[in-house]
Amino acid sequence: AQTVTQSQPEMSVQEAETVTLSCTYDTSESDYYLFWYKQPPSRQMILVIRQEAYKQQNATENRFSVNFQKAAKSFSLKISDSQLGDAAMYFCAYRQGTYKYIFGTGTRLKVLA
Amino acid sequence: GAVVSQHPSRVICKSGTSVKIECRSLDFQATTMFWYRQFPKKSLMLMATSNEGSKATYEQGVEKDKFLINHASLTLSTLTVTSAHPEDSSFYICSASPYTYEQYFGPGTRLTVT
Repeated sequence: AQTVTQSQPEMSVQEAETVTLSCTYDTSESDYYLFWYKQPPSRQMILVIRQEAYKQQNATENRFSVNFQKAAKSFSLKISDSQLGDAAMYFCAYRQGTYKYIFGTGTRLKVLA
Repeated sequence: GAVVSQHPSRVICKSGTSVKIECRSLDFQATTMFWYRQFPKKSLMLMATSNEGSKATYEQGVEKDKFLINHASLTLSTLTVTSAHPEDSSFYICSASPYTYEQYFGPGTRLTVT
């Protein structure tokens, strides 16, 4: 069965600095999608970034980028120039072929002023 | 675009009663909708997947008779918690998926059973 592991329950970063959140997954499939979602205190899930497994190029969205290592089954999120508004729970998610998502356990990010 | 609403945002009900939560896709047709449950400081646990006009597919360990899911149209799915008990208190989140790989999440519903 597919699994998603986030080994960092909590991370802290100084405002304007860079932080990397880790995610590993296990699958026997070759074609899939990976996502990072942000859940602020409002509890609304917000899509941060997505990566298609067939694409070798790492996805980027403004200050957010991923390091996708398909062979290692690793999918880390880098947040550059961290802002106070980035403080939230971050969930890594894997999408199986039938739209079903599997979420990791989450990493709570604290941004220090 | 791609907005999903949930109603109500908060609900308190007495033990033994039933409560219905609605999930609507406001600006797109959702072929598939999902219901998740989230315990405090925990991840999202998929409860069931529903496709319009067909029976929901429940995840292992989820009681289908307790959590009734209806996906009556391409924009509306409902979750009814029947004979609710305090252990059913949780945060319930729905998501909707159009003809793409992406899911759009609702803002969630906090259920408290007293």
